Amino acid sequence: EVQLVQSGAEVKKPGATVKISCKFSGYTFSDYYIHWLQQAPERGPEWMGHIDPQDHETKYAARFQGRLTITADTSSDTAYMELTSLRSEDTAVYYCAPTRLLVAPFDFWGQGTLVTVSS
Amino acid sequence: DIQMTQSPASLSASVGDRVTITCQASQDISNYVNWYQQKPGKAPKLLIYDASNLETGVPSRFSGSGSGTDFTFTITSLQPEDIATYYCQQYDILYTFGQGTKLDIK
Repeated sequence: EVQLVQSGAEVKKPGATVKISCKFSGYTFSDYYIHWLQQAPERGPEWMGHIDPQDHETKYAARFQGRLTITADTSSDTAYMELTSLRSEDTAVYYCAPTRLLVAPFDFWGQGTLVTVSS
Repeated sequence: DIQMTQSPASLSASVGDRVTITCQASQDISNYVNWYQQKPGKAPKLLIYDASNLETGVPSRFSGSGSGTDFTFTITSLQPEDIATYYCQQYDILYTFGQGTKLDIK
């Protein structure tokens, strides 16, 4: 079974950058697309983007374009999500979720990483 | 962008009740709809995929139906452990989630 372990909670000031990791195990990392989702308090999840670890091709949601970078390290089977120019509205739990197909249901999720943006 | 309008936003029901949640897509998305359950402090859990298919290990009291723009999620006999927030999600074009339905026991 796929297992995902995300890095711990972060507290950042407005304008700062956060980088979260997602360690993948259980199957072959490069066989999966890794997606990142943002869930603000009391709201549904929102898809941010994904990466294909095999060729590092990425796709980002328009709302995060320019501030979001998703990377993958196949030597450590770890994906990363970096979000810059943080604002209070970015206070949320961030999840990684792998899929075998480019577009598919999210049947596995990381445990989530809380990012708090506050001055 | 495809919008998913989910209703109701909240729902109170008694143990054993039949519970229904609906989701309407802003355009035809065939059957590319999934339903998730989320409990406080936990990641969402996939219950139903492709509108009507039960994920492995999910109790049969959960079901889904619909195609095109209108979708329904049903719990046939509500159990105490079903208290959670439920989300629909489309994946016809990228991904969009509904606003969620918070379900509690009356």
